Amino acid sequence: QQQVKQSPQSLIVQKGGISIINCAYENTAFDYFPWYQQFPGKGPALLIAIRPDVSEKKEGRFTISFNKSAKQFSLHIMDSQPGDSATYFCVKELVFGKGTKLTVNP
Amino acid sequence: EPEVTQTPSHQVTQMGQEVILRCVPISNHLYFYWYRQILGQKVEFLVSFYNNEISEKSEIFDDQFSVERPDGSNFTLKIRSTKLEDSAMYFCASMDGTHRDLSYEQYFGPGTRLTVT
Repeated sequence: QQQVKQSPQSLIVQKGGISIINCAYENTAFDYFPWYQQFPGKGPALLIAIRPDVSEKKEGRFTISFNKSAKQFSLHIMDSQPGDSATYFCVKELVFGKGTKLTVNP
Repeated sequence: EPEVTQTPSHQVTQMGQEVILRCVPISNHLYFYWYRQILGQKVEFLVSFYNNEISEKSEIFDDQFSVERPDGSNFTLKIRSTKLEDSAMYFCASMDGTHRDLSYEQYFGPGTRLTVT
């Protein structure tokens, strides 16, 4: 089964800082790399996703960077806000990473 | 905006009892999924369902579990004889499927918290 290695497990940043979460995967038949955001007591929600025909995709303060040769993709949150505090999951096909709990301090 | 709904929001049951968790996927979606999340842990895939049959299932999805789409709108997960370790949050998800070969853009419901005592 597909393995997905996500890091770090937890992350604390100050308001306005940059949050970076990384994900490494094994070989895949499907070229689609999403990140999901989950708030406590809620279901995961698709945040942003990238296809490997591009190396980077930006939506507002959220950016995915993709390195196909290294089999890695990462999520960057610019100007992190307290409202970004949540757990973030990278997903490869049906396999979720273990999640990164992000805390943004005011 | 269309959304996935799940009922009940919280289910308490005794060990050995059967439970049925219900989901209403987004109406034009073709792929349906169940995941579970034990408190504070990762989201684990259980099963996917397409064209009225299971398309994939994980090792967790053993003979105690079954899924059904009894009508055109509901998608259910049944656990025949619950165990203490089945206590978790269960999420239903659905996907359009039009571009399945290119994406796994899943829409998740709010979850059902199952507590087995």
